[in-house]
Amino acid sequence: LAKTTQPISMDSYEGQEVNITCSHNNIATNDYITWYQQFPSQGPRFIIQGYKTKVTNEVASLFIPADRKSSTLSLPRVSLSDTAVYYCLVSSYYSTLTFGKGTMLLVSP
Amino acid sequence: NAGVTQTPKFQVLKTGQSMTLQCAQDMNHEYMSWYRQDPGMGLRLIHYSVGAGITDQGEVPNGYNVSRSTTEDFPLRLLSAAPSQTSVYFCASSSHTGTENYGYTFGSGTRLTVV
Repeated sequence: LAKTTQPISMDSYEGQEVNITCSHNNIATNDYITWYQQFPSQGPRFIIQGYKTKVTNEVASLFIPADRKSSTLSLPRVSLSDTAVYYCLVSSYYSTLTFGKGTMLLVSP
Repeated sequence: NAGVTQTPKFQVLKTGQSMTLQCAQDMNHEYMSWYRQDPGMGLRLIHYSVGAGITDQGEVPNGYNVSRSTTEDFPLRLLSAAPSQTSVYFCASSSHTGTENYGYTFGSGTRLTVV
């Protein structure tokens, strides 16, 4: 399983764009990149998933360079409610998920 | 559509007691799994199942048993509770239908305390 590295914590202010970068140097050809969000006392929630280039949904964008050794989750105009832990995971079709410690994002007024 | 339902939400056990954490999903997902999360840590995989009748061990399986007799249900059994099993337990499910979306749906968790 590809190991991921992401910052332990990030701080931002309301209305700013937040970019969280994840490193996954050993990503395999069949691996996808998935990001989850977790609020305290809740289970993780799927945010976005991609294989290469750029993926955008109503919540976030995911940028993946051509070599796929890293990815960046972009949250536009964050609000206080975006304060959470964000996990970057790399996995293939039938592989299990391996969670790291994630990135604790704190959004202040 | 309830998604993934876990019961109970909270439980206190005495050391040596046994109990079953229930997990049910109504999305006809093939894949189900159990994770535990300790303070300040990411989730660690306990057991998982790729379909009814098939289970396998994850990263931290000791002290836990699972079975998958139906697609919908995936109970986690603690055989003899120990204080080290104090944790928050999450059940998750996913569909492997060949689409790109491998997103997992997680339950709301069971907070277990062993005294």
